[in-house]
Amino acid sequence: QKEVEQDPGPLSVPEGAIVSLNCTYSNSAFQYFMWYRQYSRKGPELLMYTYSSGNKEDGRFTAQVDKSSKYISLFIRDSQPSDSATYLCAISPNDYKLSFGAGTTVTVRA
Amino acid sequence: DAGITQSPRHKVTETGTPVTLRCHQTENHRYMYWYRQDPGHGLRLIHYSYGVKDTDKGEVSDGYSVSRSKTEDFLLTLESATSSQTSVYFCATKLDGGSRLDTQYFGPGTRLTVL
Repeated sequence: QKEVEQDPGPLSVPEGAIVSLNCTYSNSAFQYFMWYRQYSRKGPELLMYTYSSGNKEDGRFTAQVDKSSKYISLFIRDSQPSDSATYLCAISPNDYKLSFGAGTTVTVRA
Repeated sequence: DAGITQSPRHKVTETGTPVTLRCHQTENHRYMYWYRQDPGHGLRLIHYSYGVKDTDKGEVSDGYSVSRSKTEDFLLTLESATSSQTSVYFCATKLDGGSRLDTQYFGPGTRLTVL
């Protein structure tokens, strides 16, 4: 079983819509969760991270962890065409490795 | 920007030929990683290094070898390239292994096609 699973999409939304991205993970002991954003033909870059459970907000982005269901989510409010990218969830099983989901490609239509 | 460069950025080669990809960093980060990215699979770890001459396997290491003779350089070698190794390869670095909150910084990627 993969440590983290993510629906690869793709997802296409109109500008201004709320984008909802989700991942599930296998091990309830995981506590560190990340979201990376990857623009086309670029390397991924860290967007947000959360520790344990609950919500974390950063501008239009909200990361949410539900440990009871082993579910992590990323919400993008008031989406913009510049948000068009691939979003990868990741979990940190130890101090030096990351396990990534498959990535969801999002297109925001102007 | 963690100052990571990868070379070459694009390469087309033939089955059975050896290929070496280079990752160079200027941040003096201890950890370096090689990933491959394929549609539907996300990023999968090939090998990583936790210091000069200290390396270990990732989840998809078969057919790949690595070397790190200097802190700043991490080489990935395909001894005999196969078509299944056609992929985009990313190098990443991490300051240290002491904190999970230290992010991994990624290079721009190398697009490899094996014919």
